[in-house]
Amino acid sequence: QVQLVVSGGGVVQPGRSLRLSCAASGFTFSNHGMHWVRQAPVKGLEWVAAIWFDGSNKYYADSVKGRFTISRDNSKNALYLQMNSLRVEDTAVYYCARESGNVNDYWGQGTLVTVSS
Amino acid sequence: DIVMTQSPDSLAVSLGERATINCKSSQSVLYSSDSKDYLAWYQQKPGQPPKLLIYWASTRESGVPDRFSGSGSGTDFTLTISSLQAEDVAVYYCQQYYNTPRTFGQGTKVEIK
Repeated sequence: QVQLVVSGGGVVQPGRSLRLSCAASGFTFSNHGMHWVRQAPVKGLEWVAAIWFDGSNKYYADSVKGRFTISRDNSKNALYLQMNSLRVEDTAVYYCARESGNVNDYWGQGTLVTVSS
Repeated sequence: DIVMTQSPDSLAVSLGERATINCKSSQSVLYSSDSKDYLAWYQQKPGQPPKLLIYWASTRESGVPDRFSGSGSGTDFTLTISSLQAEDVAVYYCQQYYNTPRTFGQGTKVEIK
């Protein structure tokens, strides 16, 4: 069955960096676009970034453009989110999600990123 | 960016009764080339990731009970739970995937009256 396991969250000071990983299994990872979506505490969902199945195209929310980088390694069935220059407002649970037929059909459990001094 | 606005923010419905959630987009999410509405509905229970319920505005995801249905086109959409069950208590989100950034509604919390 499809599994997406997110890791790498934690507590980090403002201005520092963190890299999230999403390990995929149960499907042909290299056939699917992938997304990161975040949810601040007691808030709604915010789309963060997306990457095409082959990594050739990447898209970002304005709120993270220039600070976050989405990437993937199809040989390892892994998706990444490199987060630099973190801000307090980046505090959220970060989910990775598979894209199938344009829609996000499977989501990982998420990892909490807390940006605090 | 396409702004998605849901109404109401919350609603309380008796078990077995109908729940209706509305979602309005600031511009049409109907793609003329394929005549599809790029609109999805998700259910999120506490401590869990979102779960896909409906895509293309009205297509039910495999395994989703048929009491969930989606309707609408263009800019106005509705998610209906025909007979509310206890396990349907959750927050429901609409999302447009017509373009990036993909945007979500603010969410509607459904509770039991």
